[in-house]
Amino acid sequence: GEDVEQSLFLSVREGDSSVINCTYTDSSSTYLYWYKQEPGAGLQLLTYIFSNMDMKQDQRLTVLLNKKDKHLSLRIADTQTGDSAIYFCAESEDSNYQLIWGAGTKLIIKP
Amino acid sequence: DGGITQSPKYLFRKEGQNVTLSCEQNLNHDAMYWYRQDPGQGLRLIYYSQIVNDFQKGDIAEGYSVSREKKESFPLTVTSAQKNPTAFYLCASSIAVVSSYAHGELFFGEGSRLTVL
Repeated sequence: GEDVEQSLFLSVREGDSSVINCTYTDSSSTYLYWYKQEPGAGLQLLTYIFSNMDMKQDQRLTVLLNKKDKHLSLRIADTQTGDSAIYFCAESEDSNYQLIWGAGTKLIIKP
Repeated sequence: DGGITQSPKYLFRKEGQNVTLSCEQNLNHDAMYWYRQDPGQGLRLIYYSQIVNDFQKGDIAEGYSVSREKKESFPLTVTSAQKNPTAFYLCASSIAVVSSYAHGELFFGEGSRLTVL
């Protein structure tokens, strides 16, 4: 079946860029998403990218999609302590009601 | 303010008891979902509902039940048949089914943490 994989942890220094990576297996993905979960809370949509795009930029966030390699990345520029959270990658198909979720990457910020 | 409200935030249950988690939304969304989150795992779909009085099983529906009598409410019952119910439960809603025309942003509640003693 479809699968989405992410590393469980990423540690970066405050002010550096964070790059969170995700690989997926479903070649018919329509949308790919990044959700953010702060401690003890629900998830919030951070950004998404349609499958016919290569890149999307929104302020400090840059999403890169390599459809050939089925690789999605989220770059956070100038990482701040408020960026500490778990970041989930998810994908969906046009005809499939369900999202397929990665396990989440916990971003740890070092001072 | 529009949003999704889950209650209770923390719940303790003895083995053999059923418990019901509440989920209410005032976003006028048609679709609602229940997910289970365990450490180191992605979200797993328990049940979802696209419309009032209709709901579908997700990947891990065994030991759970839901109802959708009102558009704004989608309660989840964790029954005694659920073998490992200790988890963080998340309710979500969306405006429509994901398609080429709607990227289907999910709006989540703050979650309910259930611990079985």
